[in-house]
Amino acid sequence: GAVVSQHPSWVICKSGTSVKIECRSLDFQATTMFWYRQFPKQSLMLMATSNEGSKATYEQGVEKDKFLINHASLTLSTLTVTSAHPEDSSFYICSAWRGGGDTQYFGPGTRLTVL
Amino acid sequence: SQQGEEDPQALSIQEGENATMNCSYKTSINNLQWYRQNSGRGLVHLILIRSNEREKHSGRLRVTLDTSKKSSSLLITASRAADTASYFCATDDTGANSKLTFGKGITLSVRP
Repeated sequence: GAVVSQHPSWVICKSGTSVKIECRSLDFQATTMFWYRQFPKQSLMLMATSNEGSKATYEQGVEKDKFLINHASLTLSTLTVTSAHPEDSSFYICSAWRGGGDTQYFGPGTRLTVL
Repeated sequence: SQQGEEDPQALSIQEGENATMNCSYKTSINNLQWYRQNSGRGLVHLILIRSNEREKHSGRLRVTLDTSKKSSSLLITASRAADTASYFCATDDTGANSKLTFGKGITLSVRP
């Protein structure tokens, strides 16, 4: 149990285009979903916290207009990278949390390459 | 300030040896977790230790937590080549609404 999927697993796009990444909790309902980014050989940095039906909370330094997060249901959150640029190329990972003292369950990640 | 600093940053051992990785943190925590990440892949949750626990075991893994020193260690016994990966500690900080703060990670290489 507690499986989280991400789609797509990798994407290559041209500079200036927008890319949407989906995060789904497959067998549980997630109170909260988190979005992280990870540059090569670096750690995960939290970008934003998303709760179903409410606006996401962004970490300091993360542009909310550039990284749009929609949490439409208890099993789905999407991250849209708008007007992507090469510096947005990174590994984006989501996690889902079902509350209480449980841990976060991580998706397999999405590799974004902006040309 | 960086929460969850692991050391060493890189560790290379022979298959069959034990691997010990350390993590230090700065604030009060609800729990501390260890994750493994194979190159280019997602995170695999290894073990969670709560702030009122001192030691936990899971298979070949042993985790300790010393809240007075704000440190944790992860011991992998009888290592295997398949244990080669990056290992991260992450803290669930008190009052942080279950947000995790990750350390920089340790790269473990197990030589066959």
